[in-house]
Amino acid sequence: QVQLQESGPGLVKPSQTLSLTCNVSGGSISSGNYYWTWIRQPAGKGLEWIGRMYTTGNTKYNPSLKSRATILVDTSKNQFSLRLTSVTAADTAVYYCARVRAMQVYFDCWGQGTLVTVSS
Amino acid sequence: QSALTQPPSASGSPGQSVTISCTGTTNDVGDYNYVSWYQQHPGKAPKLMIYEVYKRPSGVPDRFSGSKSGDTASLTVSGLQADDEADYYCTSYAGSNDFVVFGGGTKVTVL
Repeated sequence: QVQLQESGPGLVKPSQTLSLTCNVSGGSISSGNYYWTWIRQPAGKGLEWIGRMYTTGNTKYNPSLKSRATILVDTSKNQFSLRLTSVTAADTAVYYCARVRAMQVYFDCWGQGTLVTVSS
Repeated sequence: QSALTQPPSASGSPGQSVTISCTGTTNDVGDYNYVSWYQQHPGKAPKLMIYEVYKRPSGVPDRFSGSKSGDTASLTVSGLQADDEADYYCTSYAGSNDFVVFGGGTKVTVL
């Protein structure tokens, strides 16, 4: 049973960089057939896809983030990470990491989520 | 990348059925059979309920069913139970450029 767990600072100052890590356990991040993704949810609002990474390292991001997001993988630690630069209060949200079945494109495994607040 | 359109709320009494619509375009829902639905209870992560329009993961009751017609997908919850009260989100594959789009979510209330 694959499990995902987000970690990182809960408070980030405006204009700084948000950095989160997703630890994957119970399965290898290098196994094929999956995308590894980040999604966020502002309080009281819906889900927003941030970006996804394939096991080859190929990435794609939500254009609405205007190139501020970067997803990296560390296969030696079985982790992947999110960096979001130049944050503002609008980036305050619960951030989830999730696994996506690549062929059928559905999110089959989610982390519990971590709240990140952007405030000075 | 436009969001899929869901009604903000839906409700039903215990034992009744409720259907939630998810309207997209020919670029997403209308073009691909990769629509999935997620249930989210307050303070919890979303949970996969339906994938590929109508398929249920192991462990999801058959009270949950999915369908699609044209650009609109639907989730029906039959035999409503108190624990079905939650937010429900649809997603669709939107092609190699946009990847996925989410619906805005529907809050289901069990009266």
